[in-house]
Amino acid sequence: EVQLVESGGGLVQPGGSLRLSCAASGFTVSSNYMSWVRQAPGKGLEWVSVIYSAGNTYYADSVKGRFTISRHSLKNTLYLQMNSLRTEDTAIYYCATSVRGDTSIFDYWGQAIVVTVSS
Amino acid sequence: DIVMTQSPDSLAVSLGERATINCKSSQSVLYSSNNKNYLAWYQQKPGQPPKLLIYWASTRDSGVPDRFSGSGSGTDFTLTISSLQAEDVAVYYCQQSYTTPGFTFGQGTRLEIK
Repeated sequence: EVQLVESGGGLVQPGGSLRLSCAASGFTVSSNYMSWVRQAPGKGLEWVSVIYSAGNTYYADSVKGRFTISRHSLKNTLYLQMNSLRTEDTAIYYCATSVRGDTSIFDYWGQAIVVTVSS
Repeated sequence: DIVMTQSPDSLAVSLGERATINCKSSQSVLYSSNNKNYLAWYQQKPGQPPKLLIYWASTRDSGVPDRFSGSGSGTDFTLTISSLQAEDVAVYYCQQSYTTPGFTFGQGTRLEIK
């Protein structure tokens, strides 16, 4: 059974850093494309970042230069290192993937982790 | 960047009636090489992650009830629920992946029972 479990969220001051983790089971993280998607309070979905099986990474303009996506093959875990955090980064963060080889959809999502950026 | 615009923002429909949600993209999401529209629909219930309903504009995902259908091509798309059930109350999002890796979502449509 495919499962995604996020961790690492919390309250941080503006300018601070956090690292989110997404532990996967039921499939191999390094063989799939993995994304982070966030949702600000009461708002819609915003794609944040993706890492493909080949290792290439991409970011939304809103986080480029501040966030870094990575993965650990042995731990079968996806990460999002978030630096220089801003109040507008406050959101719940989902990791998401497709295990069917289609890199245009997200058919599995984690339950999300809360990130609050506030002084 | 492709902008996805959904209409309406909210919708109230009686049980058993048809619900229709529209999604318009600022440019075509149809790949001519394979004739596929890179447009998906998701359902999000309160406190839950989004659930994939439809991909390639009209292909229903496994296990999705057949009252859900998707249509459209190019820039204009529709999600239709043929006979609204109480469990369909949710926010619905369209998402384009034509410009992968720059996935973008519509702003969402809130569906309620009238």
